[in-house]
Amino acid sequence: KAGVTQTPRYLIKTRGQQVTLSCSPISGHRSVSWYQQTPGQGLQFLFEYFSETQRNKGNFPGRFSGRQFSNSRSEMNVSTLELGDSALYLCASSLGETVLGSDTQYFGPGTRLTVL
Amino acid sequence: AQSVTQLDSHVSVSEGTPVLLRCNYSSSYSPSLFWYVQHPNKGLQLLLKYTSAATLVKGINGFEAEFKKSETSFHLTKPSAHMSDAAEYFCVVSEWKAAGNKLTFGGGTRVLVKP
Repeated sequence: KAGVTQTPRYLIKTRGQQVTLSCSPISGHRSVSWYQQTPGQGLQFLFEYFSETQRNKGNFPGRFSGRQFSNSRSEMNVSTLELGDSALYLCASSLGETVLGSDTQYFGPGTRLTVL
Repeated sequence: AQSVTQLDSHVSVSEGTPVLLRCNYSSSYSPSLFWYVQHPNKGLQLLLKYTSAATLVKGINGFEAEFKKSETSFHLTKPSAHMSDAAEYFCVVSEWKAAGNKLTFGGGTRVLVKP
């Protein structure tokens, strides 16, 4: 079974621009979560989508948004880019429905975003 | 609210010697706990997970972790380090509620393996 794929793998943008990142989950997985990884802040949860609905959200400004399509693929958008948005953005997929929190998330390789 | 503390930001071991990575967690509910590994310029790979079954959990590549509720710890061990174990390791807690899935990560422990 194919793993989680993310495109593009690398991206360079300038301040003020916007960017869209894409994530294709493992077949059969209905939940997609996004994380930001930076040297200073570590790994931080952005949001989770399940059945095309945002089910959970982290503490990020409204410039960060996402959506999920009927085939469970997800996109993340960042508008008005700032230098501090430079990071590795990781997508993870999971079944999305479990008991007692045992849902396991499987991560993609990430998209490395550099903002100049 | 949940939180995770990895007690060592860096660990250096010699090849063939044991590895111990320490993790303490805080959770309002019965948590699920995970260890993930990240090799340079790669995504995160699941090593093992605890979900209220056996307290000693075995994972891939010879790693195992023990859940100790009284100490709120979930330390990761491997009896004999290999050069390929050089990577960053993350202890993760998950509290799944009706509102969905959310992972909280520790700060990571970078492992250096000396020949």
